[in-house]
Amino acid sequence: DAGITQSPRYKITETGRQVTLMCHQTWSHSYMFWYRQDLGHGLRLIYYSAAADITDKGEVPDGYVVSRSKTENFPLTLESATRSQTSVYFCASSTSGASYNEQFFGPGTRLTVL
Amino acid sequence: DQQVKQNSPSLSVQEGRISILNCDYTNSMFDYFLWYKKYPAEGPTFLISISSIKDKNEDGRFTVFLNKSAKHLSLHIVPSQPGDSAVYFCAASDSGTYKYIFGTGTRLKVLA
Repeated sequence: DAGITQSPRYKITETGRQVTLMCHQTWSHSYMFWYRQDLGHGLRLIYYSAAADITDKGEVPDGYVVSRSKTENFPLTLESATRSQTSVYFCASSTSGASYNEQFFGPGTRLTVL
Repeated sequence: DQQVKQNSPSLSVQEGRISILNCDYTNSMFDYFLWYKKYPAEGPTFLISISSIKDKNEDGRFTVFLNKSAKHLSLHIVPSQPGDSAVYFCAASDSGTYKYIFGTGTRLKVLA
């Protein structure tokens, strides 16, 4: 099916473990984004990518690593998970970087770090 | 420091009445504003947007108003329907970047 998907939808892990959240879009959108949603903070941008092999930091990048070897995939890795990274993570994509181009969001991954 | 603020965490409205959701921003460089709607266990979906060159944009039951001098925008839903019950996020962007800054969201409940 066309669209933007995230996997897993739910994940429980332990402090110190490495976790990778996957994001896949079928639209060939150039831009992709990772956000986290926390109570009292709304959605905050973690990392974004303008194209394959081009990534840059957002508001809250510490503790996260991204890569984008293919246009359609944008995985987010927590190298050593901490309890403060318990959150709901959303991936989004957009045709361009222009602010008037809406971002399309995936369904989210709920991550719990024990 | 929150650059985009939604000061009402929740709002309840009777079906058929008007829902008014408010959003304030502090950064005068913001020139594009959007509203997203989010249902539980789903990602946010785009609802309506407005450029700073306008003060109003309408799309069916949804109207967004922008008051640049007050750094305030509002979303009006008329008439409200039970299916409108969701969390609404406002977002702001500086056209010089492609990053959205989101507010904390307002949970709207439309009572049948």
